[in-house]
Amino acid sequence: DSGVTQTPKHLITATGQRVTLRCSPRSGDLSVYWYQQSLDQGLQFLIQYYNGEERAKGNILERFSAQQFPDLHSELNLSSLELGDSALYFCASSVQTGAKAEQYFGPGTRLTVT
Amino acid sequence: TQLLEQSPQFLSIQEGENLTVYCNSSSVFSSLQWYRQEPGEGPVLLVTVVTGGEVKKLKRLTFQFGDARKDSSLHITAAQTGDTGLYLCAGVRGNTPLVFGKGTRLSVIA
Repeated sequence: DSGVTQTPKHLITATGQRVTLRCSPRSGDLSVYWYQQSLDQGLQFLIQYYNGEERAKGNILERFSAQQFPDLHSELNLSSLELGDSALYFCASSVQTGAKAEQYFGPGTRLTVT
Repeated sequence: TQLLEQSPQFLSIQEGENLTVYCNSSSVFSSLQWYRQEPGEGPVLLVTVVTGGEVKKLKRLTFQFGDARKDSSLHITAAQTGDTGLYLCAGVRGNTPLVFGKGTRLSVIA
């Protein structure tokens, strides 16, 4: 158990819909990272927050947005969903920021768009 | 174009065999991380290699960072069924986010 929790574990929704994925980092971790994992693209970095502020942005679509709240939990919002958005979404957390910081991954949310 | 290429993509071996998987790039990394991911779980960090030529051992797993810091290998001795999983390498360059390879999916059969 990494100490990072993600809800829900599975999510099935239709195209055009909007969903929110939630992540609670390990106690004491200030950084939260979101990743998307699909079979053809592998694990892709989406976005990072550090202590409530956006720190780094990766291959995140404009239809996707995220935020980190004062209690440090984070939410990833996916809107106007398309079939291609079906994937595993992982949240990771670390104490510090920067690529060298050891990241602890949650169990992921499996999103299926039908 | 994938920045980190992992090979082979799939590997199925018998318990007790040895294996090596590779992580290659044309870019230089300040460090490289190896993760193992089991079905239904998130990746778990196994090791970080930092110095060119560095070799790190974790029980039956041996990790090597290339001299030029562009590639790495993971060697498993006497594989066990518990080694089954997806092995991912991830590169660190400056302060940019981690870059992951697509992984090697290992299946160890009893």
